Amino acid sequence: AQSVSQHNHHVILSEAASLELGCNYSYGGTVNLFWYVQYPGQHLQLLLKYFSGDPLVKGIKGFEAEFIKSKFSFNLRKPSVQWSDTAEYFCAVTSLSGSARQLTFGSGTQLTVLP
Amino acid sequence: DTGVSQNPRHKITKRGQNVTFRCDPISEHNRLYWYRQTLGQGPEFLTYFQNEAQLEKSRLLSDRFSAERPKGSFSTLEIQRTEQGDSAMYLCASSSMGLRDTYGYTFGSGTRLTVV
Repeated sequence: AQSVSQHNHHVILSEAASLELGCNYSYGGTVNLFWYVQYPGQHLQLLLKYFSGDPLVKGIKGFEAEFIKSKFSFNLRKPSVQWSDTAEYFCAVTSLSGSARQLTFGSGTQLTVLP
Repeated sequence: DTGVSQNPRHKITKRGQNVTFRCDPISEHNRLYWYRQTLGQGPEFLTYFQNEAQLEKSRLLSDRFSAERPKGSFSTLEIQRTEQGDSAMYLCASSSMGLRDTYGYTFGSGTRLTVV
């Protein structure tokens, strides 16, 4: 069974600081990888995704993530965070086997950006 | 409506009561998913429909849980004889079927269940 680990449960940064949130997955086959964001009181929104090709993927709001297959990692980065980035961030994986395409999520990282 | 709609937003019920939640997916999406999210955790897969057929169920979905999707449109999730451990946010998502169908994986805002 696939699993996802997010090592940082709560990250606190000041505005303009750089961000990197860790995500590691365990699955031996081909996977699709995602980062979702949940702003306070809102639904989960897709931030970015990796299916194939260039391992550096760019998402909305200046976020990017790098897929490193050898490390089973898909870390999320942003060069300069803003107060409005305060939210919970979830890494997720889906395998390409089977038909359901169900997502397996990590436990999430709460990001607090101080003004 | 361009999003996934879930009702009610909040539900407080007494232990032992039955509850039912509704999800209206994006109209052109034929896949519908239910997830459960507890405090401090990411969403966990419960079940999945393709059109009206329930194709997969997680072991998390005990026999007290039942989900339906009549006519392949909206879906309901019923929990019978609720327990305090059922308290969680219940999320619905929908997607279209295609080679990269997870592109269109859209979540609703969820129904928060509190069992007292």
